[in-house]
Amino acid sequence: KAGVTQTPRYLIKTRGQQVTLSCSPISGHRSVSWYQQTPGQGLQFLFEYFSETQRNKGNFPGRFSGRQFSNSRSEMNVSTLELGDSALYLCASSSERGGSETQYFGPGTRLLVL
Amino acid sequence: AQSVSQHNHHVILSEAASLELGCNYSYGGTVNLFWYVQYPGQHLQLLLKYFSGDPLVKGIKGFEAEFIKSKFSFNLRKPSVQWSDTAEYFCAVNVGSARQLTFGSGTQLTVLP
Repeated sequence: KAGVTQTPRYLIKTRGQQVTLSCSPISGHRSVSWYQQTPGQGLQFLFEYFSETQRNKGNFPGRFSGRQFSNSRSEMNVSTLELGDSALYLCASSSERGGSETQYFGPGTRLLVL
Repeated sequence: AQSVSQHNHHVILSEAASLELGCNYSYGGTVNLFWYVQYPGQHLQLLLKYFSGDPLVKGIKGFEAEFIKSKFSFNLRKPSVQWSDTAEYFCAVNVGSARQLTFGSGTQLTVLP
């Protein structure tokens, strides 16, 4: 099976712009979670989608949003970018069987905000 | 809310040395525990996980971890490290059926040849 794919891999934006990142889960996985990884804050949970519904949300401002499509692909959007949004954004997919299921991570999208 | 502490930020070992990385979590209920590894330039990948049963779990590449409920710990061990084990190691926890993983701050392991 192909792994989790994320596009684009690298992105440079300026403050105030918005950005959309995309994630394609492993075939058959219906749960997609997003994480932000920074040197200062480490890995932090953004949100999780399952069957096109947001099931869980982390402690991030409303500028961070996401959605999931009927084919389980997911996008996350960050509006009004700030310098502090520079990070590696990771997507993970898993089956729907439960919390103990392994989450498989993609390579990430590295966002640099200037 | 749960939290995870990894005590060692950077560990340097010589090849063939034994490894133990500490992980403690804070949550009073049932948890699922994970160790992930991030090799340089690669994805986060699962080393091992615990959700029930035998508290000593074995993972890939000779790693194992022991869940000690009374100590809220899930330490990672390997009897003999190799240069290829150089990577960053993350302990993580989630609760019940929720997929929200709470990660520790990570431990950078450097193995000297």
